[in-house]
Amino acid sequence: NAGVTQTPKFQVLKTGQSMTLQCAQDMNHEYMSWYRQDPGMGLRLIHYSVGAGITDQGEVPNGYNVSRSTTEDFPLRLLSAAPSQTSVYFCASSYGVGTTNSPLHFGNGTRLTVT
Amino acid sequence: AQTVTQSQPEMSVQEAETVTLSCTYDTSESDYYLFWYKQPPSRQMILVIRQEAYKQQNATENRFSVNFQKAAKSFSLKISDSQLGDAAMYFCAYGGETSGSRLTFGEGTQLTVNP
Repeated sequence: NAGVTQTPKFQVLKTGQSMTLQCAQDMNHEYMSWYRQDPGMGLRLIHYSVGAGITDQGEVPNGYNVSRSTTEDFPLRLLSAAPSQTSVYFCASSYGVGTTNSPLHFGNGTRLTVT
Repeated sequence: AQTVTQSQPEMSVQEAETVTLSCTYDTSESDYYLFWYKQPPSRQMILVIRQEAYKQQNATENRFSVNFQKAAKSFSLKISDSQLGDAAMYFCAYGGETSGSRLTFGEGTQLTVNP
């Protein structure tokens, strides 16, 4: 059981380049989210999805796009990378409504540096 | 919008001693969940403990326990008999009843355990 798989683990981009961070889960979770982690700011929600075909913006969505064509996959696209997007990115998933018996499962993160 | 505040950027404790990490939150919801996550240098996000707001009894998990004060909107984590492996960044997080994978995180507290 792989859980939540994020790729790549590390990435360096030049300003203006685009890329896609991949996230896949094999737990049949309906809910998936992308967070970014910056020093002194904790984790902030970028985008989330409550099921295939349904996505919505989180707290810091600018500069990022997502899509959810399948239950398993939730890629995060950086359209035109900026140095302000240098961060550690986490994908997470959980079962449906309510979190009592549904802990958040995290991927191992992607460290992105934009120069 | 909900907010989570961790006012202690750094804490230290002697091995085998007890330490308490503080967390306060703000919400207008009556039903919600609170979490403590541990992030060691490996970057992995590990669920330490969770508390349902409707439960008056404080959650415990082995050496980890919480002091949940709903009226004061306070949710502190107590680590007893601290071990070197407890050294990590600790995040407090809030989830509404229908949050799914959307949590609001605090800024984090870096815990150092001294031998």
